Amino acid sequence: NAGVTQTPKFQVLKTGQSMTLQCAQDMNHNSMYWYRQDPGMGLRLIYYSASEGTTDKGEVPNGYNVSRLNKREFSLRLESAAPSQTSVYFCASIRDMAETQYFGPGTRLLVL
Amino acid sequence: DAKTTQPTSMDCAEGRAANLPCNHSTISGNEYVYWYRQIHSQGPQYIIHGLKNNETNEMASLIITEDRKSSTLILPHATLRDTAVYYCIVYGGGFKTIFGAGTRLFVKA
Repeated sequence: NAGVTQTPKFQVLKTGQSMTLQCAQDMNHNSMYWYRQDPGMGLRLIYYSASEGTTDKGEVPNGYNVSRLNKREFSLRLESAAPSQTSVYFCASIRDMAETQYFGPGTRLLVL
Repeated sequence: DAKTTQPTSMDCAEGRAANLPCNHSTISGNEYVYWYRQIHSQGPQYIIHGLKNNETNEMASLIITEDRKSSTLILPHATLRDTAVYYCIVYGGGFKTIFGAGTRLFVKA
């Protein structure tokens, strides 16, 4: 099992450009999450998907959209990137409520 | 709106026990206490979790107070490789999970 995979690993964008961060899990988990982590800070929840077909806002959803494409995949889209969105983005998945979260390796995004 | 409060940083001597506290005074009856750690800029990794009883695994022990309002993660014999950020979070009553800033543990030789 690959666990949780994220693409790309690194990305540099110019202000105003758009991009989609991809996340996939092969553990048959029901719920998936997107977090961001700014330098020296903790994780902040952007969006989550409790189950296929549902998405909900987390702590910092502004500037982002998400799509739960199917049970395996959960993508995060930046429609018009801003320097404030420079961060490391982590995807995670969980089989069910109250269970262990499994994290991907992260995507490092720099917005100039 | 973190549900937990942790010290910003702690030091520990190599080979000694590291005791990391966490306050979660608003924990609900169906919420678990989970501990994760993040080494360098890797994705966080699971350490241990519990509901109301103390728990132990090969990595650590978790002590939860009787009123469940606080807990302590114990790394019995800290090594340099245990230097990391440790997150205490509570969840289980819903799918939304809030991590907070965590505790930076520095293990010194």
